[in-house]
Formats: sequence, C-alpha cells, structure tokens
Amino acid sequence: DSGVTQTPKHLITATGQRVTLRCSPRSGDLSVYWYQQSLDQGLQFLIQYYNGEERAKGNILERFSAQQFPDLHSELNLSSLELGDSALYFCASSPRQFTGELFFGEGSRLTVL
Amino acid sequence: TQLLEQSPQFLSIQEGENLTVYCNSSSVFSSLQWYRQEPGEGPVLLVTVVTGGEVKKLKRLTFQFGDARKDSSLHITAAQTGDTGLYLCAGEGDGATNKLIFGTGTLLAVQP
Repeated sequence: DSGVTQTPKHLITATGQRVTLRCSPRSGDLSVYWYQQSLDQGLQFLIQYYNGEERAKGNILERFSAQQFPDLHSELNLSSLELGDSALYFCASSPRQFTGELFFGEGSRLTVL
Repeated sequence: TQLLEQSPQFLSIQEGENLTVYCNSSSVFSSLQWYRQEPGEGPVLLVTVVTGGEVKKLKRLTFQFGDARKDSSLHITAAQTGDTGLYLCAGEGDGATNKLIFGTGTLLAVQP
C-alpha cells in the first residue's frame, strides 16, 4: 500500500461525457502528479501540482484539467471524452517539489464506449 | 523531447534464467529510476541511480547507470516467478525539473 488513494477504480462512460478522477496523496506529500498509461503510449506525464499550485505540464489535452485543493487532494477532470481517452490514469505523490521518488496509487481505469 | 527506449519490449523466460533489460536515450539525465509494476497496481520504485557509472544491487537485481548518464541496465540473476511484471525506467532531467520521463517498458514473464 503506497498510501496514495485513487477513486474510482473503474469507470465506464460514453463519448462526449465528462468525468472526474480523485486522488488523495500520502500524508505529508505536497506534490501530486497525474499520468496516463495506455498500451500504445506507455506512461505519459500529464500535470503536476505542488502545494496547490501548478508546477509542470506534460502532454495534457485542453479537454483535460486538474487542480489541487487546500487539503492537498487533487482532481483530474476529463471532458468531451473520446474513445482514445480510454486508459489507466495514475496519480502519484512525492514529498519533494522536484520529482524524486514517486508513490503511485492503484490507478483509475477509464473506459469510453 | 526526451525519450527513453527500453529493450526488449517483451521477455518470457524460465525460472532460474538470467536476463538484462536496457534503457537508452540520447538525452542526459541527472538521475534514473527503475520501477516495477504488477497487474492492477501502480509502479513501485526499485532503485534510483544518480552518478554516471554507478552500480546498485538489490538482492538478485543489479542496476547500472551509464557513464554518460544516458542509459541504464537492469540485470536479474536466477529469475523467479515473483519477478514477473512490467519494468519501467524513468529519467529525471538536468536541473530543477518536475517531469519524470518514463521509458517504454519491458514486460517480463517468468515461467515456473
């Protein structure tokens, strides 16, 4: 158990819909990272927050957005969903502002039909 | 764009065999991490190598960072079924950066 909690574990929705994935980091960790994992693209970095502020952006689509709340939990919002958005979405946390060891949650599996 | 290519992509071996997984890039990394991911789980950190040429051992696993800090290898001696999983290398760029770039992954299956 990494201490990182992600909900929901599984989500099935239709194209065009919007979903929200939630992440609670390890106690004391200020950084939250979001990654997308698919068979053809591997593990792709989406975005990072540190203590409530956006710190780095990766290959995140404009249809996706995220935020980190004062209690440090984070949400990833995915809108206008397409079939290609089907993937595993991982949240990871770290005590450091700049990477270091990442502690991953178990992921949220999104299926878009 | 920093890319990390891993080889082989897939590896199926018998218990007791040795194997090596490679992680290569044209970019220099300040450090390199190796993770193992099991089905239904998130990746778990195995080791971090920081210095060019550094070798670290974790029981039957030996990790090496290339002298130029562009590549790394993972060698497993006498593989066990419990070693089955997806092995991912991840590079941290030079300077202060928030992006950990993951490799393409090597899926290892160790047969009993």
